[in-house]
Amino acid sequence: DAGVIQSPRHEVTEMGQEVTLRCKPISGHDYLFWYRQTMMRGLELLIYFNNNVPIDDSGMPEDRFSAKMPNASFSTLKIQPSEPRDSAVYFCASSLPAGGADTQYFGPGTRLTVL
Amino acid sequence: GQNIDQPTEMTATEGAIVQINCTYQTSGFNGLFWYQQHAGEAPTFLSYNVLDGLEEKGRFSSFLSRSKGYSYLLLKELQMKDSASYLCAVRGSGGYQKVTFGTGTKLQVIP
Repeated sequence: DAGVIQSPRHEVTEMGQEVTLRCKPISGHDYLFWYRQTMMRGLELLIYFNNNVPIDDSGMPEDRFSAKMPNASFSTLKIQPSEPRDSAVYFCASSLPAGGADTQYFGPGTRLTVL
Repeated sequence: GQNIDQPTEMTATEGAIVQINCTYQTSGFNGLFWYQQHAGEAPTFLSYNVLDGLEEKGRFSSFLSRSKGYSYLLLKELQMKDSASYLCAVRGSGGYQKVTFGTGTKLQVIP
């Protein structure tokens, strides 16, 4: 399997612009997670889906952030309008629904810089 | 809520043993994970503990004490490639799959 795929790997944009990050989870994984990582706050969970349905979006910082999962093989995280404080590495991860040590598999991340 | 504490940085010598501690305060507990993250890369799974005691996996071991809200990751026979950040993560009661990560411990292995 190719693992979790994210695009783009790097994104540089100007404040106020719309940013869309994309993720393809591992085939057969029912859970998909979006995280944001910064030096100050570490790895923060933004939202996660189960079978394409958003389960918990309490980590989404504000209304400028939105996430969708139209099918089992694709998800997007959108920021509109973007601000410099959104600069971070955004990771997508997926996992199986099995119990116990159901580890999350992370994609390579998208490094976002908002100028 | 969840609160997870780890040392920010550690330095150890190649061939030595290092212990990275993690303390947590969570509303409920359903397992603790350790992940390794090399600079510029994604986190990768190292270990999982849900019961008290030591789990050994090659050069890496992880220990859990639920009553103390405490875990450690033990790395033996350190190699230069072990230089990375080590993230402690806890699954609380906020949803079965919801895992909260600590800010990580950056380990530098020196010759």
